[in-house]
Amino acid sequence: DAGITQSPRHKVTETGTPVTLRCHQTENHRYMYWYRQDPGHGLRLIHYSYGVKDTDKGEVSDGYSVSRSKTEDFLLTLESATSSQTSVYFCAISEFRDSKEQFFGPGTRLTVL
Amino acid sequence: TQLLEQSPQFLSIQEGENLTVYCNSSSVFSSLQWYRQEPGEGPVLLVTVVTGGEVKKLKRLTFQFGDARKDSSLHITAAQPGDTGLYLCRHNQGGKLIFGQGTELSVKP
Repeated sequence: DAGITQSPRHKVTETGTPVTLRCHQTENHRYMYWYRQDPGHGLRLIHYSYGVKDTDKGEVSDGYSVSRSKTEDFLLTLESATSSQTSVYFCAISEFRDSKEQFFGPGTRLTVL
Repeated sequence: TQLLEQSPQFLSIQEGENLTVYCNSSSVFSSLQWYRQEPGEGPVLLVTVVTGGEVKKLKRLTFQFGDARKDSSLHITAAQPGDTGLYLCRHNQGGKLIFGQGTELSVKP
């Protein structure tokens, strides 16, 4: 299994509070991604990173920011959480941008009350 | 954005039955991936299909890529409870990795 961990695995928070999710990899892959998964929507890309301090938006980036200060860590921040951001968040990594295989972390279940 | 439509959205069958799930688009794929996601875990890659008409087998799973590379199917023979999970197709559209909404399969003993 690819070495990807996510923390926390579960979090309950209140509307308006900031939340940061962490993804850590031990594979030294260049590309890292944050997705959210909701029933009926599959996986939707929030942001991705193509190197340290290099990030770009995905299809559902509003309300989210990311940072990558080290190759192994990719942080997803909800500046002011809303109930619509209740979801399961997955981090993924890949060696190349057009890589046919992404390796996914175990997910973080976030509930915003 | 090139959408991927998966069908059916839900499928509940008995152990031993056969099933087919589909992934369709109005546009041509350069390649397509199938992933399987078990409850509480992240998706795991099953296969990549690249050539129109290509058929790949993975034990009891048969993956087919349409001749026109606009559709793909996954056929499971003699389904087992361990096949239960969410099956997702994915393709790379100009650098954007697009997933279908998935087919949720439940195989009852």
